[in-house]
Amino acid sequence: SSVLTQPPSVSVAPGQTARISCGGNNIGSESVHWYQEKPGQAPVLVVYDNTDRPSGIPQRFSGSNSANTATLTISRVEAGDEADYYCQVWDDTSDQPVFGGGTKLTVL
Amino acid sequence: QVQLVQSGAEVKKPGSSVKVSCKAAGGTFSSYAISWVRQAPGQGLEWMGGIIPIFGTANYAQKFQDRVTITRDEFTRTAYMEMSSLRSEDTAVYYCARPTGYYKGAFDIWGQGTVVTVSS
Repeated sequence: SSVLTQPPSVSVAPGQTARISCGGNNIGSESVHWYQEKPGQAPVLVVYDNTDRPSGIPQRFSGSNSANTATLTISRVEAGDEADYYCQVWDDTSDQPVFGGGTKLTVL
Repeated sequence: QVQLVQSGAEVKKPGSSVKVSCKAAGGTFSSYAISWVRQAPGQGLEWMGGIIPIFGTANYAQKFQDRVTITRDEFTRTAYMEMSSLRSEDTAVYYCARPTGYYKGAFDIWGQGTVVTVSS
């Protein structure tokens, strides 16, 4: 089954660009989804199918996926973006979803 | 617009069982699957299992296969997750979520979460 590796933490100053990686063997061949989770709240889907955004998600959130790394990019970071971010794929071998370990984004 | 509303917090003794409900408001409940995801304190998201519509076939993560039962009632538009033989490590927030595909893909709708505390 898939194993997704995320850095435990990423820090960025307001207005700068945050990049959160999700590593996996040949992940570029899969559809990767990203969630934002704030304390005490349910996860929110911010990017699906590598690059698409659900309605209501700002254009500042974008995704890419190639080879062994998928990346969530948050442009012009705001204090309100501080949260945990999780990547997820559907593992066809086990026919189950797999989540990365999560990355805590800190806005300095 | 689909909303998933979960039952309230539970406090359980070790060895007992808990049943969490997830009621759908809006949309066509019979057209989408429901998955259950849990998050232990300070930990990440962990998929437990899911159930497809109409046929009601459930699929479980191996870790939970012996202790978790997921069901759904199309008439009341409600999905259920029951866990038995509870232990302290099962203390977590339990979420129901709807996948974008027939039963897989991204999870675009989440319930508000149900806190389950297992303590003697």
